[in-house]
Amino acid sequence: KQEVTQIPAALSVPEGENLVLNCSFTDSAIYNLQWFRQDPGKGLTSLLLIQSSQREQTSGRLNASLDKSSGRSTLYIAASQPGDSATYLCAVGETSGSRLTFGEGTQLTVNP
Amino acid sequence: KAGVTQTPRYLIKTRGQQVTLSCSPISGHRSVSWYQQTPGQGLQFLFEYFSETQRNKGNFPGRFSGRQFSNSRSEMNVSTLELGDSALYLCASSLAWGSGGYNEQFFGPGTRLTVL
Repeated sequence: KQEVTQIPAALSVPEGENLVLNCSFTDSAIYNLQWFRQDPGKGLTSLLLIQSSQREQTSGRLNASLDKSSGRSTLYIAASQPGDSATYLCAVGETSGSRLTFGEGTQLTVNP
Repeated sequence: KAGVTQTPRYLIKTRGQQVTLSCSPISGHRSVSWYQQTPGQGLQFLFEYFSETQRNKGNFPGRFSGRQFSNSRSEMNVSTLELGDSALYLCASSLAWGSGGYNEQFFGPGTRLTVL
């Protein structure tokens, strides 16, 4: 059974800092890995999708990497802003369908 | 292009009642998945529908059921509601290929269900 862990559970940083969120998974037989952002009481916003054959994806100030063999992914946020404050969720897609297994999330606060 | 829509956004029910939630996927998306989000259990997969057929099912009791229509819209039903069913129910849609490959999943805003 796939298990996904995110570290840290919460993070508070001053505006402008670069930061790294970590995600680890137990079964390396994944189809893809997706990073999401969730604002309080809202749905999930897709940030980046990495296919299992890829090593990284970039979108603006965000960069996500994937190391399947070690069961790890990182989300790098450059020059953080208060608007980046949210919960960030890592989700692993299985090979046999669209089921995503989610981590518990990292709650990020960026202080002005 | 419109995103995933879910109705209703908020719902209050009492124990023992049943409820139906609706999800309209992004135009062209044929796969619809449902997830339950609670503070204690996080996000958990309920089931996935593709071409009106349930293709994958999570570990939930039979009180949770769903269906998909020919236009890819999906509904989920929860019968005999329990207090523990209070949660945010999220729907996600994606393009689904015949080979079984799945692309990026897009989520709706969710339906907040409160069971009293």
